[in-house]
Amino acid sequence: EAQVTQNPRYLITVTGKKLTVTCSQNMNHEYMSWYRQDPGLGLRQIYYSMNVEVTDKGDVPEGYKVSRKEKRNFPLILESPSPNQTSLYFCASSLRDNYGYTFGSGTRLTVV
Amino acid sequence: GDSVTQMEGPVTLSEEAFLTINCTYTATGYPSLFWYVQYPGEGLQLLLKATKADDKGSNKGFEATYRKETTSFHLEKGSVQVSDSAVYFCALTSNQAGTALIFGKGTTLSVSS
Repeated sequence: EAQVTQNPRYLITVTGKKLTVTCSQNMNHEYMSWYRQDPGLGLRQIYYSMNVEVTDKGDVPEGYKVSRKEKRNFPLILESPSPNQTSLYFCASSLRDNYGYTFGSGTRLTVV
Repeated sequence: GDSVTQMEGPVTLSEEAFLTINCTYTATGYPSLFWYVQYPGEGLQLLLKATKADDKGSNKGFEATYRKETTSFHLEKGSVQVSDSAVYFCALTSNQAGTALIFGKGTTLSVSS
């Protein structure tokens, strides 16, 4: 089944403890992207990647890192999480920019 | 910059009622337009899309037509079901936005039997 898989689905962590949210797609898509969803603010892009080893900042990149060493994987790294990073995170992938993105099921992160 | 505006919710309808969710956009050039749906506790699913003016996207009884003259992409369904209850997002991609999907704030639809 064609899909984007994120892990974990739920995560509670403490301020400053480094964490990684994994994202993997099995559709051989070039484009991958991370979004966060917050009440009243909608969905905002954090980082995106157009191909292996090519990444760039979205609208809200502060406090996040990404890497794209393989086409299928695009992990999101929080080096020192803070409470304002408590949010619902989505990974997404697309064949090309006007094709429409396939989204993962989301990761609900709580930083205390 | 590019932006999407969609009607505020929640929208509450009875089963078999007609649905319209308004969406207008601001973009330079020729954006591609999308509707996504988010069911409770799930990720976003692509519902339909249109990539050029006058295109009509359709899926699962939902339709939307890309109107360049009014910069709109309104979502319609002739007869809603309880299972259509979800949050609906209008979105666009454009040359200015790069690879980003620019989303509207979302409209919550609640359908009762």
